[in-house]
Amino acid sequence: EPEVTQTPSHQVTQMGQEVILRCVPISNHLYFYWYRQILGQKVEFLVSFYNNEISEKSEIFDDQFSVERPDGSNFTLKIRSTKLEDSAMYFCASSDQGTSQPQHFGDGTRLSIL
Amino acid sequence: KNEVEQSPQNLTAQEGEFITINCSYSVGISALHWLQQHPGGGIVSLFMLSSGKKKHGRLIATINIQEKHSSLHITASHPRDSAVYICAVPWQAGTALIFGKGTTLSVSS
Repeated sequence: EPEVTQTPSHQVTQMGQEVILRCVPISNHLYFYWYRQILGQKVEFLVSFYNNEISEKSEIFDDQFSVERPDGSNFTLKIRSTKLEDSAMYFCASSDQGTSQPQHFGDGTRLSIL
Repeated sequence: KNEVEQSPQNLTAQEGEFITINCSYSVGISALHWLQQHPGGGIVSLFMLSSGKKKHGRLIATINIQEKHSSLHITASHPRDSAVYICAVPWQAGTALIFGKGTTLSVSS
């Protein structure tokens, strides 16, 4: 069964550094998402992406975050200048029909900021 | 903006017991999602439903749109069902999801 893949599985970065989290959504999917989960807390929505542009973003997704679909397969989340509070598990998800289909999640990237 | 409440927060059961997890939300929705998060962190979609009931194996999900309430039932629970079960609904008018805090289920043999 097709799946969403995320790399790396664990990223350790110094505070203030830029980090790029990578995702390969399921190939025929059109809607892409980033969520994050701080340890011990609930999953939170960051941003959704459709038709090569951001369609929704939460208040968490401030100017230090950006997303890109640089080619036909990858979907990336960039954090420009990381803070300690960015430490979390970041999940990528995709779906093929938006609200009428379930979202498929990757296994996540654990981001640790030192 | 929708709010999602789940109960109970934690649930322990003996193998074979019938399990019920509840979810309430504040704003009318197009569909509600039930997901499972494994101890390793991975998230799997279990159900997406907009009305009535859906069944998959020992899992049953129901939704009452008028009361803004959904339940997830597990019949004949098994230790492998131990996981966090999460309810999610559309965040606003779009496709992104807002998640409940999850129910941690532990089933012992």
